[in-house]
Amino acid sequence: GQNIDQPTEMTATEGAIVQINCTYQTSGFNGLFWYQQHAGEAPTFLSYNVLDGLEEKGRFSSFLSRSKGYSYLLLKELQMKDSASYLCAVRAGGYQKVTFGIGTKLQVIP
Amino acid sequence: EAGVTQFPSHSVIEKGQTVTLRCDPISGHDNLYWYRRVMGKEIKFLLHFVKESKQDESGMPNNRFLAERTGGTYSTLKVQPAELEDSGVYFCASSPRRGDTEAFFGQGTRLTVV
Repeated sequence: GQNIDQPTEMTATEGAIVQINCTYQTSGFNGLFWYQQHAGEAPTFLSYNVLDGLEEKGRFSSFLSRSKGYSYLLLKELQMKDSASYLCAVRAGGYQKVTFGIGTKLQVIP
Repeated sequence: EAGVTQFPSHSVIEKGQTVTLRCDPISGHDNLYWYRRVMGKEIKFLLHFVKESKQDESGMPNNRFLAERTGGTYSTLKVQPAELEDSGVYFCASSPRRGDTEAFFGQGTRLTVV
């Protein structure tokens, strides 16, 4: 099976930087996703990492270390609209099934 | 272009009744996935269709759940008979090809079994 851990809640200040960590244990790793989900809405794709290193996309960056089973999502210049749940998900196995973590609920405060 | 649509958005049924959830993927997407989120828990994989074929149904909880995708277009997920623990949000997602890095999610169906 797969085990994915991420903090359940975080609070950060508007304009600041926040890092959301995710650790995982899996076999047959084939990539890690980050999704954003606002309350009552569909999860939306943010990033995908399959190789080690940092992927930057505007205010959002995602990092992966396969040897450590570790990823983080970095959000810069936080805005109030960034308040949402951030889901870490791992794809692994022969059928490339995607397994989600419980999600980190981020609250951005003024 | 229309996104992934799910119907109904909410459903409240009594224990023992039957409910059918529908998912319309993005047109042309061969891959269709069903997920479920029980309150307080993570989103869990249920099954994966490639066109009309079930590629992986290892996440289906038990035989009260039946998923179909006749013709490889829309999909239905039937729960019969529903139990209290089936309550949760059922998400559908689709992607064009196997191994795609992005799947597009619907807004989910919130099922409440009372």
